[in-house]
Amino acid sequence: DAMVIQNPRYQVTQFGKPVTLSCSQTLNHNVMYWYQQKSSQAPKLLFHYYDKDFNNEADTPDNFQSRRPNTSFCFLDIRSPGLGDAAMYLCATGRTSWPDTQYFGPGTRLTVL
Amino acid sequence: QKEVEQNSGPLSVPEGAIASLNCTYSDRGSQSFFWYRQYSGKSPELIMFIYSNGDKEDGRFTAQLNKASQYVSLLIRDSQPSDSATYLCASDSGGGADGLTFGKGTHLIIQP
Repeated sequence: DAMVIQNPRYQVTQFGKPVTLSCSQTLNHNVMYWYQQKSSQAPKLLFHYYDKDFNNEADTPDNFQSRRPNTSFCFLDIRSPGLGDAAMYLCATGRTSWPDTQYFGPGTRLTVL
Repeated sequence: QKEVEQNSGPLSVPEGAIASLNCTYSDRGSQSFFWYRQYSGKSPELIMFIYSNGDKEDGRFTAQLNKASQYVSLLIRDSQPSDSATYLCASDSGGGADGLTFGKGTHLIIQP
């Protein structure tokens, strides 16, 4: 029944070692989002896809990249994780129809050692 | 810079009472507003959204919107201990599916 799935749920990586987080959805939504949420902070939008059109937030570091090979899957790549990148990474999906209601996956907790 | 402001709390409410959560937003172009509940270590879960001035009720929850004052609130009636969580307020980008701007959330504690 899970509609937005994120893997892994917990990821531990070393400083500077690339890591990839994945998200899949069964809702057939055409928009997918990646948010970063640090402890006691608001979720912060990193980027999103309208179908295959990639939209990067202006203040998202170049260290973060994303891929969406098809409607169902989206990946977040962190090329050289720093200690400050430790956070919960949230994938969400939605439609281009209004209102912009978004449905979140369970999140991936990233630890950087 | 779009901003959504919330009092971080904690807000402590006795069981059975009404919990009142508030939020203000800076972008007058925002058209719809969302309340999400987030338990510790979990992802946000949508409670409800509102886009018209006034009140919108859904079970024990009532959202209120005042666009002139740029103010959104959420009332939880008959509060239960299971309502203890962080409540995130979010605004849209003004009509497109460009992502939401979230507040930091209010930590609500329902005391049995």
